[in-house]
Amino acid sequence: DGGITQSPKYLFRKEGQNVTLSCEQNLNHDAMYWYRQDPGQGLRLIYYSQIVNDFQKGDIAEGYSVSREKKESFPLTVTSAQKNPTAFYLCASMAPGSYNEQFFGPGTRLTVL
Amino acid sequence: KQEVTQIPAALSVPEGENLVLNCSFTDSAIYNLQWFRQDPGKGLTSLLLIQSSQREQTSGRLNASLDKSSGRSTLYIAASQPGDSATYLCAVRGTSGSRLTFGEGTQLTVNP
Repeated sequence: DGGITQSPKYLFRKEGQNVTLSCEQNLNHDAMYWYRQDPGQGLRLIYYSQIVNDFQKGDIAEGYSVSREKKESFPLTVTSAQKNPTAFYLCASMAPGSYNEQFFGPGTRLTVL
Repeated sequence: KQEVTQIPAALSVPEGENLVLNCSFTDSAIYNLQWFRQDPGKGLTSLLLIQSSQREQTSGRLNASLDKSSGRSTLYIAASQPGDSATYLCAVRGTSGSRLTFGEGTQLTVNP
């Protein structure tokens, strides 16, 4: 099955810890994205990558870091510098070419204890 | 900076009703517009994608229209069913890059 997988589904973190959220896709998409969703709010872009070994900050990159060493993988690290990390995190990828349709993974819910 | 607004924020209708969800955007220089559905605690599912040169797209009971000059899109759902209950989000992609700007969504409840 082609698609985007995110793991884990639920993640609990103690204050002061770094955690890494996994995102993998087998759609052969070049572009990948990380969004944060808070209750009652729209999606906010954290980081995006249009090609391997390259990525750009989105609107709320502070306290987060990413890497893009492989086309299939775009992990997100939530660092201890992120002041309010409890949220629902969504990974997405975009089909190449002129169509540019974006597809999403199932999400990871991060809770800081 | 592009801003996307969805009205209403919540909508409750009886089963079988036809309904319209609205999306407006401030910058008409868009590449495309995408409608998504989100069930509670889940990711987004792409419903329809309209390119800037198109006026509408249809998929089953769903029809999305785009009026780029006025900065508006509508999602029409025919003969609504309880299974249509979800949050519907619209997002626009600007001509200058690969980013989507999202609205806050319309939470739809279809009552049996």
